[in-house]
Amino acid sequence: GQNIDQPTEMTATEGAIVQINCTYQTSGFNGLFWYQQHAGEAPTFLSYNVLDGLEEKGRFSSFLSRSKGYSYLLLKELQMKDSASYLCAVRDDSNYQLIWGAGTKLIIKP
Amino acid sequence: EAGVAQSPRYKIIEKRQSVAFWCNPISGHATLYWYQQILGQGPKLLIQFQNNGVVDDSQLPKDRFSAERLKGVDSTLKIQPAKLEDSAVYLCASSSSYAGAFFGQGTRLTVV
Repeated sequence: GQNIDQPTEMTATEGAIVQINCTYQTSGFNGLFWYQQHAGEAPTFLSYNVLDGLEEKGRFSSFLSRSKGYSYLLLKELQMKDSASYLCAVRDDSNYQLIWGAGTKLIIKP
Repeated sequence: EAGVAQSPRYKIIEKRQSVAFWCNPISGHATLYWYQQILGQGPKLLIQFQNNGVVDDSQLPKDRFSAERLKGVDSTLKIQPAKLEDSAVYLCASSSSYAGAFFGQGTRLTVV
């Protein structure tokens, strides 16, 4: 079956670093995406990994290990505005469908 | 580049009434998705179009929901009749073949 797991909620301190993990079991794989979603808003695209390794984009980095079915999103120098839900999604290569995790609610404390 | 356009932003209807949502995807994006998102959950795919053909509608409650994408561009999602449990945010997204999905602002539906 298709399954994506990520922690429900995490708390971190302003200025610190946090790592949000995502594990997946899908029938096909054609990329993993991370999205940020603020309360009451639509998800916005953060990163895309299709090959193993680390993709860095400013304060955000995303890592993928296809053999382990594992990814993480790393957020550095946390700011209060980073308080949001972070969604992990895997693209199935058979039909380009996106399979979504339930999201991780990140709470940033001063 | 213009983003995904959706309307309306908010809608309140009584149960058993009908409602329709409209979506205009990013120009050139062949794939269009309609999602339902309930608070605290990830998006749930209702229907996926590739151009004007349906790729996946396995989770669309077909007794009350319908969707179409005429000419492979704009799309409408309709609910008739609405139930209380249909209260959610309805998200439209579009993508090209090798990119992620880009979302519209969504329609927050409240059924009372």
